[in-house]
Amino acid sequence: GAGVSQSPSNKVTEKGKDVELRCDPISGHTALYWYRQSLGQGLEFLIYFQGNSAPDKSGLPSDRFSAERTGGSVSTLTIQRTQQEDSAVYLCASSFAGGNYNEQFFGPGTRLTVL
Amino acid sequence: AQTVTQSQPEMSVQEAETVTLSCTYDTSESNYYLFWYKQPPSRQMILVIRQEAYKQQNATENRFSVNFQKAAKSFSLKISDSQLGDTAMYFCAFTNYGGSQGNLIFGKGTKLSVKP
Repeated sequence: GAGVSQSPSNKVTEKGKDVELRCDPISGHTALYWYRQSLGQGLEFLIYFQGNSAPDKSGLPSDRFSAERTGGSVSTLTIQRTQQEDSAVYLCASSFAGGNYNEQFFGPGTRLTVL
Repeated sequence: AQTVTQSQPEMSVQEAETVTLSCTYDTSESNYYLFWYKQPPSRQMILVIRQEAYKQQNATENRFSVNFQKAAKSFSLKISDSQLGDTAMYFCAFTNYGGSQGNLIFGKGTKLSVKP
């Protein structure tokens, strides 16, 4: 079947604008993760969904960041009033279930550039 | 806090030779998983190999093998018979065993270049 897809592939926006990043997980995967990869850095965990619930939002870097997941499938990461430091690649991953070990399958990411 | 450290920002190797990428980690947990992920220019993260901390035997996957030293908290990746397609960023990652979330903690990566 299809892998994890993300859209858009690239997004250029102006400082202060809001952006929405979309993730379509693998069908049947109940767990979904968002990570941020800044230039020269490893991946930073942002948020985890089990079904439609996000039990821990402490990884979100500020209150300008929010995420939701509907129907246990598609997830949207929203960044309000974007800042230049938000420029990064945003990666989404899904797995069959959260916890223990279930391999996470990653999407190709969205490269966000804030001018 | 759990951390993962990759001390080699960049490495290069000649095609067909062997290269070892280093990774150390810090945790107070006794059971956990360790991973090596490959990220080519396409940005797609690909799982290369994983190791369960409770297993003493080092994991191997074809040309890829690890040297897991639990007491030293070290987890290196050996790539044998390097191929041009191995050129990529390699990330070491960690997750707790039995955690409710399973989110991965990553190192900053090593950029590997395989030269013809």
